[in-house]
Amino acid sequence: GQNIDQPTEMTATEGAIVQINCTYQTSGFNGLFWYQQHAGEAPTFLSYNVLDGLEEKGRFSSFLSRSKGYSYLLLKELQMKDSASYLCAVRGISYQGGKLIFGQGTELSVKP
Amino acid sequence: GAGVSQTPSNKVTEKGKYVELRCDPISGHTALYWYRQSLGQGPEFLIYFQGTGAADDSGLPNDRFFAVRPEGSVSTLKIQRTERGDSAVYLCASSPQGSYNEQFFGPGTRLTVL
Repeated sequence: GQNIDQPTEMTATEGAIVQINCTYQTSGFNGLFWYQQHAGEAPTFLSYNVLDGLEEKGRFSSFLSRSKGYSYLLLKELQMKDSASYLCAVRGISYQGGKLIFGQGTELSVKP
Repeated sequence: GAGVSQTPSNKVTEKGKYVELRCDPISGHTALYWYRQSLGQGPEFLIYFQGTGAADDSGLPNDRFFAVRPEGSVSTLKIQRTERGDSAVYLCASSPQGSYNEQFFGPGTRLTVL
């Protein structure tokens, strides 16, 4: 089966650091993606991990542990515009055509 | 350059009617995906095209749903005999050269079935 879990909502303060966790159990694994989605808008790509370790991209970093079925997205120096839903998604193995299996999303609220 | 576009942005229909939703992928992207997103949930995979052919349609919920991509570019998602449970945002995404790259999403079509 396919199961991706992430917290439903989180709150953090402007300028702080927040970590959004994602655990997954899938029948195949070919990479993990994080997307940001503002209300009423399309998801936009943030990061991609296929090997274990940390990928850093400006204020955003993403970590993957394949043996633990675990990833996190780290957001530093939070800004009000970071208030959005953050979606964790696992890409299936190649014959599945690269479809993404998404978690329910974590709604992040950044407070002044 | 232009991103993925979807039309209409909103569609309101009555139960039992037929609807078509259109997706224009980024030029040159060979892979095209349809997802459905209900309120408060992540997108749910429906179907994947590689070129003109449907490579994976395992996410289509039943035979009322059908999608085509006749020339390997624009795709149309067709829903027959719509039901209230079909109400959702229908997202289209495309990616270059098959399935191993990030997917670029369109703004979606919000379908409401009354």
